[in-house]
Amino acid sequence: EVQLVESGGDLVQPGGSLSLSCTASGFAPSNLWMSWVRQAPGKGLEWVAHVSPDGSKKYYVDSMKGRFTISRDSAKNSVFLQMNSLRAEDTALYYCVAWGAGTYWGQGSLVTVSS
Amino acid sequence: DVVMTQSPLSLPVTLGQSASISCRSSQSLVHSDGDTHLYWFQQRPGQSPRRLFYKVSIRDSGVPDRFSGSGSGTDFTLKISRVEAEDVGVYYCMQATHWPHTFGPGTKLEIK
Repeated sequence: EVQLVESGGDLVQPGGSLSLSCTASGFAPSNLWMSWVRQAPGKGLEWVAHVSPDGSKKYYVDSMKGRFTISRDSAKNSVFLQMNSLRAEDTALYYCVAWGAGTYWGQGSLVTVSS
Repeated sequence: DVVMTQSPLSLPVTLGQSASISCRSSQSLVHSDGDTHLYWFQQRPGQSPRRLFYKVSIRDSGVPDRFSGSGSGTDFTLKISRVEAEDVGVYYCMQATHWPHTFGPGTKLEIK
């Protein structure tokens, strides 16, 4: 079964840091672009970051540039999102997404930024 | 950034009737590779999004042929004929021609 499983979501104070992980099973995403997309509670979908299959190209939405870092480890079928200087408006469910012939989404990892 | 707009934002539909969602982009979505990278996603309540169409009108595996995607340039449409209860959810268009990729605000389909 094709699966993407995110982990690492937590409650963190404003200004804090958090690292999310996403591990694929049932397929090898090494040839696929991988992304993080987030959804604030009751809101729509928002791109966060995007990484090429070889990890050499990375794209970020402006509001997250300099604060978030996407990376991947193809040997571990994993993608990561390091989030620093977190703000209340970063509170959201963070989805890991693999873009191939099909598009695979994880179930999401909840990040709550609050004091 | 390319702004994606959708209408309507709320769509009450009677079971068995048809539904249509419009998606417009602030810039042409024709890529330099010649393709138009416009996607449609369905998000059922409590679930992760699921892709329905890519490149405007190519239906994903498992998507009923009651669903159709069309359009070009900056103007796109998702149509659902004979709406069923399982179609309830929020529908998003998304462009992947320009970075950052952007989603529309979503259209919530509900049964009357």
